[in-house]
Amino acid sequence: QKEVEQNSGPLSVPEGAIASLNCTYSDRGSQSFFWYRQYSGKSPELIMFIYSNGDKEDGRFTAQLNKASQYVSLLIRDSQPSDSATYLCAVRVSASKIIFGSGTRLSIRP
Amino acid sequence: EAGVAQSPRYKIIEKRQSVAFWCNPISGHATLYWYQQILGQGPKLLIQFQNNGVVDDSQLPKDRFSAERLKGVDSTLKIQPAKLEDSAVYLCASSPQVGTYNEQFFGPGTRLTVL
Repeated sequence: QKEVEQNSGPLSVPEGAIASLNCTYSDRGSQSFFWYRQYSGKSPELIMFIYSNGDKEDGRFTAQLNKASQYVSLLIRDSQPSDSATYLCAVRVSASKIIFGSGTRLSIRP
Repeated sequence: EAGVAQSPRYKIIEKRQSVAFWCNPISGHATLYWYQQILGQGPKLLIQFQNNGVVDDSQLPKDRFSAERLKGVDSTLKIQPAKLEDSAVYLCASSPQVGTYNEQFFGPGTRLTVL
């Protein structure tokens, strides 16, 4: 059974600080990794994807991938109240299939 | 570019009734997905179409759920008969093609409540 694990949270971070979200996956053959943001009552929206070991930066967001440790993370710098949401980690385990984690609920406190 | 469209947005039915959901993907997107998202959980893939063919339906409860994508464009998902545990948000997503980074674009979802 291929799995994607996330801490459900809530993760509480002060405004302006760095929020760090983590995800582990079980399938060593996984190729692509995605972070989605989901506001309450809304559908998931893609923030970033990463497929190579190392860091990938986009504005305030940085995705980090370590395939040897089967670990992917998302850093949010200068956290804003609008970043409060559930963050879903998703892993492509085959050419056509993505598996989602259960999400981490992030709360940015003013 | 118009996004993924879904209807209805909300549906309340009693157990053992039937219900159908409709999805129209982004124009030109070959791949269409139906997900079930239970409150507090991540989306779970029910079925995936590539054009009008089924790629993966391994997690679709086939005794009560069915889906079709005639003509390779829009799709319907049906539940018959519904059970209490089917209460969830049903998300439709599309992506340009299989074998890319598989970026998926989600519709607004249909929230189903089974009483």
